[in-house]
Amino acid sequence: QVQLQQSGPGLLKPSQTLSLTCAISGDSVSSNSAAWNWIRQSPSRGLEWLGRTYYRSKWNSDYAVSVKSRIIINPDTSKNQFSLQLNSVTPEDTAVYYCARSITVLRGNYFDPWGQGTLVIVSS
Amino acid sequence: DIQMTQSPSSLSASVGDRVTITCRTSQSISSYLNWYQQKPGKAPKLLIYAASSLQSGVPSRFSGSGSGTDFTLTINILQPEDFATYYCQQSYSTPRTFGPGTKVDIK
Repeated sequence: QVQLQQSGPGLLKPSQTLSLTCAISGDSVSSNSAAWNWIRQSPSRGLEWLGRTYYRSKWNSDYAVSVKSRIIINPDTSKNQFSLQLNSVTPEDTAVYYCARSITVLRGNYFDPWGQGTLVIVSS
Repeated sequence: DIQMTQSPSSLSASVGDRVTITCRTSQSISSYLNWYQQKPGKAPKLLIYAASSLQSGVPSRFSGSGSGTDFTLTINILQPEDFATYYCQQSYSTPRTFGPGTKVDIK
C-alpha cells in the first residue's frame, strides 16, 4: 500500500520560500510508471495542479504556467521523497498543499494516493 | 488549458436517493476523466478513473459514464458517508485541471 507523508512549515511571511517534503512508502520516487505531483487547494482557486517530477530514463519536471517562474519540484532518491519549493510567496499562495502520486493505466492517468495535506498561510 | 465545469454546484439529498452530478470539459478528452470525493479536512479520494472504471475498494453504488466533453457521476442509494464534495479532473493533457466541485449535503 502506497502512502505519502508530508512535512514542512505552515506559516510564512511574504517574499519567503515555501518548502514542503513528501516522503514515499510502498513505491519508489524513481519508478518508471509513476509521477510525483504537488497540488494545492484554496477557496478562491479550487484544486490547482502545480507540477510534477518523474523518471523516464532521465528526470523530468512539468510546471503550471501560473507558478513556473517560482517553483522547483525535486526528487530525493536517497530518502525516497520529493520536495516542493515555491519562491517569493504572497498571500495568494495561502492554501492547503497536497502531494500525490499519478500513475498511467490503459485508459487513463489519475492521482492516487494523496498526502494528508499541509495548510500554508502567508501573512505578515 | 482545458476548462472544467460541474453542475449542480451543490445539492441536497436524502439517504437512499439517487444522485447524479455532471461534468463538462471545454474540449473533447475522450475518456480521460476522473472523479474524486473529498470530506472536510481530508485529501481527495479517487472514486472513478477513465470515466467509468471503479477504483479498487470503492462501493459499487458509485458509477461513472460519458466520453468526449460530457460526463456523469451517479451515486445509487445514497449512504450517510457519501455526504461530501465531488470533483472531476481531466487527465487528457497537462496542466491537469479540476472541476469546481459539487457539494452533496443532507436534505
